[in-house]
Amino acid sequence: KNEVEQSPQNLTAQEGEFITINCSYSVGISALHWLQQHPGGGIVSLFMLSSGKKKHGRLIATINIQEKHSSLHITASHPRDSAVYICAVPNYGGSQGNLIFGKGTKLSVKP
Amino acid sequence: DGGITQSPKYLFRKEGQNVTLSCEQNLNHDAMYWYRQDPGQGLRLIYYSQIVNDFQKGDIAEGYSVSREKKESFPLTVTSAQKNPTAFYLCASKIQHQPADTQYFGPGTRLTVL
Repeated sequence: KNEVEQSPQNLTAQEGEFITINCSYSVGISALHWLQQHPGGGIVSLFMLSSGKKKHGRLIATINIQEKHSSLHITASHPRDSAVYICAVPNYGGSQGNLIFGKGTKLSVKP
Repeated sequence: DGGITQSPKYLFRKEGQNVTLSCEQNLNHDAMYWYRQDPGQGLRLIYYSQIVNDFQKGDIAEGYSVSREKKESFPLTVTSAQKNPTAFYLCASKIQHQPADTQYFGPGTRLTVL
């Protein structure tokens, strides 16, 4: 079973700072999800990536398949970026087709 | 617009009562999933269904039951046997036989048992 580790668990930043959240996993995968969970609980899929880098607005996600590591970067952070960021990978251990999730990184951006 | 709906967003129940959480999708997806989230923990798989009229237990199925009578619906019942039912519940779906990384997520239901 894949183990997913995220760091840091909690992150406080000042508005405008560059943010990096890391995700490591133990078993090779074909792709990885980055998700955003707002205080109300709803989860939004930010990225699904299998190699290299993807960019959407101020968000950048990178993945290194060989090193089993992914990072989520936020440039020019804003208080509205405050949320929990979760990485998730496929569970290849069985036939379920489900995802295995990290515990999340709680980001708080102060004005 | 296609998507997954979960209702209600917030649900309160008294201890000892069964409660059913709704999950509906109009994406024509074969597979559907229920996950549970507790503070400080990653989402964990409760039940999943890959086709209509079939479902399987996930990692933490005890105290829960599901049904899959229609392709678009996968309701989750939290029974009185579930020791710690207060949690955030997330429903997801995907096309069968596609990689697990193509899942779509509902908005979630936060259940509080008083």
